[in-house]
Amino acid sequence: KAGVTQTPRYLIKTRGQQVTLSCSPISGHRSVSWYQQTPGQGLQFLFEYFSETQRNKGNFPGRFSGRQFSNSRSEMNVSTLELGDSALYLCASSLGTGGNEQYFGPGTRLTVT
Amino acid sequence: GIQVEQSPPDLILQEGANSTLRCNFSDSVNNLQWFHQNPWGQLINLFYIPSGTKQNGRLSATTVATERYSLLYISSSQTTDSGVYFCAVGNFNKFYFGSGTKLNVKP
Repeated sequence: KAGVTQTPRYLIKTRGQQVTLSCSPISGHRSVSWYQQTPGQGLQFLFEYFSETQRNKGNFPGRFSGRQFSNSRSEMNVSTLELGDSALYLCASSLGTGGNEQYFGPGTRLTVT
Repeated sequence: GIQVEQSPPDLILQEGANSTLRCNFSDSVNNLQWFHQNPWGQLINLFYIPSGTKQNGRLSATTVATERYSLLYISSSQTTDSGVYFCAVGNFNKFYFGSGTKLNVKP
């Protein structure tokens, strides 16, 4: 069974631009969660989607948004990029939303210049 | 949110030594996992262990949910065990991560 895939793997953007990251979960998994990892703040939860609905949200500004499609694939968008948005963005998939084991993708490394 | 403390923050071992990594958390949870982050950033699942004890080869883990801690044991460590180990806890699918334990196993 294929694992969680994320595209693109690396991205360089300029301050003020917007970016869209994509995550395809493991086949049969319906929950996708997103996390941001930075050296200063560590790993922080962004949001979770299940059945195309946002179920949980972390403490990030509204510039960070996401959505989930009917095939469970998810996208995360960051608008008006700031230098501090440079990070490794990880997505995780799980069967359901009730505390099932989560499996992480390889991540997208975003650099904002 | 839930506070997660991992100790020690850094650990240096000689190959073949054993080690214990600890994870304390501040509230009851229904989900706890241990991960090893590889040099490229991917989190590799080690254990899904909201309670009880599990073993997988040289690694084992124990979670005592009532006392809000989990332990990861690494026996006969190898250089390939080097990296950062994370404990993640949460309710449902919202994880709170510790700061990690950075393990360096020397040959």
